Amino acid sequence: SYVLTQPPSVSVAPGQTARISCGGNNIGSKSVHWYQQRPGQAPVVVVYDDSDRPSGIPERFSGSNSGNTATLNISRVEAGDEADYYCQVWDSSSGHHVFGTGTKVTVL
Amino acid sequence: QVQLVESGGGVVQPGGSLRLSCAASGFTFSTYAMHWVRQAPGKGLEWVAFIGDDGSEKYYADSVKGRFIISRDSSKNTLFLQMNNLGAEDTAVYTCAKERDRSGYFDHWGQGTLVTVSS
Repeated sequence: SYVLTQPPSVSVAPGQTARISCGGNNIGSKSVHWYQQRPGQAPVVVVYDDSDRPSGIPERFSGSNSGNTATLNISRVEAGDEADYYCQVWDSSSGHHVFGTGTKVTVL
Repeated sequence: QVQLVESGGGVVQPGGSLRLSCAASGFTFSTYAMHWVRQAPGKGLEWVAFIGDDGSEKYYADSVKGRFIISRDSSKNTLFLQMNNLGAEDTAVYTCAKERDRSGYFDHWGQGTLVTVSS
């Protein structure tokens, strides 16, 4: 089955940029989606199709995807960005959807 | 606005069964694919099952295949998850999610219902 690997944690100072990686075999050939999950809340999509943002999501959230790594960037990090972040893809070979292992973003 | 409300969770003994429901409103339920996603306490998200808009297409995670059955009743705007032969590893919050236009991502989520498998 397809596996997506994320770093368990990322720490960043306010105003700096947080970069969260999502590694998978030839992930660049898939569409990657990113979710933010605050404690006790349902996930919210912050980037879809590698780099698109849903309405209402700040431009500070951006994504890229190439080769074996997709990346979510959060620029000008704010305290409110502290949350768990998950990447997700649809694996066409199995019909399964797959989530990454998740990354906890801590704002110092 | 889109609302997804799960119910049916609770405590069940190992080997037991449970049926979860997800009541949908605020959109044309019969035209969207739906999913179940679970999250064990303190753990990450795990996709569980998918059902196509007309109910004919279904996929399951390897961890639940053969034990769980996803279904839908579009006349009642409700999604179901029948869970059989439950084990401790199935303890989690189960959430239903709506897929946006077969795009592969989930644009609306419920708040979830907790399933605890324990003797």
